[in-house]
Amino acid sequence: GQSLEQPSEVTAVEGAIVQINCTYQTSGFYGLSWYQQHDGGAPTFLSYNALDGLEETGRFSSFLSRSDSYGYLLLQELQMKDSASYFCAVRPDTGRRALTFGSGTRLQVQP
Amino acid sequence: GAGVSQSPSNKVTEKGKDVELRCDPISGHTALYWYRQSLGQGLEFLIYFQGNSAPDKSGLPSDRFSAERTGGSVSTLTIQRTQQEDSAVYLCASSPPGVSYNEQFFGPGTRLTVL
Repeated sequence: GQSLEQPSEVTAVEGAIVQINCTYQTSGFYGLSWYQQHDGGAPTFLSYNALDGLEETGRFSSFLSRSDSYGYLLLQELQMKDSASYFCAVRPDTGRRALTFGSGTRLQVQP
Repeated sequence: GAGVSQSPSNKVTEKGKDVELRCDPISGHTALYWYRQSLGQGLEFLIYFQGNSAPDKSGLPSDRFSAERTGGSVSTLTIQRTQQEDSAVYLCASSPPGVSYNEQFFGPGTRLTVL
């Protein structure tokens, strides 16, 4: 089976840096993705790590350690509009196209 | 260009009725996925299409659920004899050919409420 663990809620202030962790147990692994979802909105793709290390996209960075089955999403210079739910997701194997999602981390950015 | 669209945006139905949910993927996207999301939960995979065929139906929860895709484009998810536990947001996503399948483009979802 597959499972992904991430914190249910995180609170931070504007301008700060926040890290959202994700640990996974899957029968196989072919990449860790991160999605953002505002209340009532559609999930939108943020980043993808296939290999170990850090991927940077503007204010957002994502890290992966395959040996630790662990990754994180780093959000810098937090803005109020970053308040949303963040989901990590894995593709368990190359033959399976569907993603397995974690239950999400609700980020609340305060002024 | 246009994103993934879904209709209806909201559907309220009575227990035991059948419902059809529609998804229009981004033009040219060969892969199409259906997920559902219960309140405050992650996304649960239902079915994946490549073109008009469905090589992965492993997430369909029961034989009351079925889906089809025609012309490599529009897809319909049908739920027969709806139950209250079917209440959720049903999300459709698509992705273009030749990519990792990790980047999926989601529609706004259909919120289904079964009374």
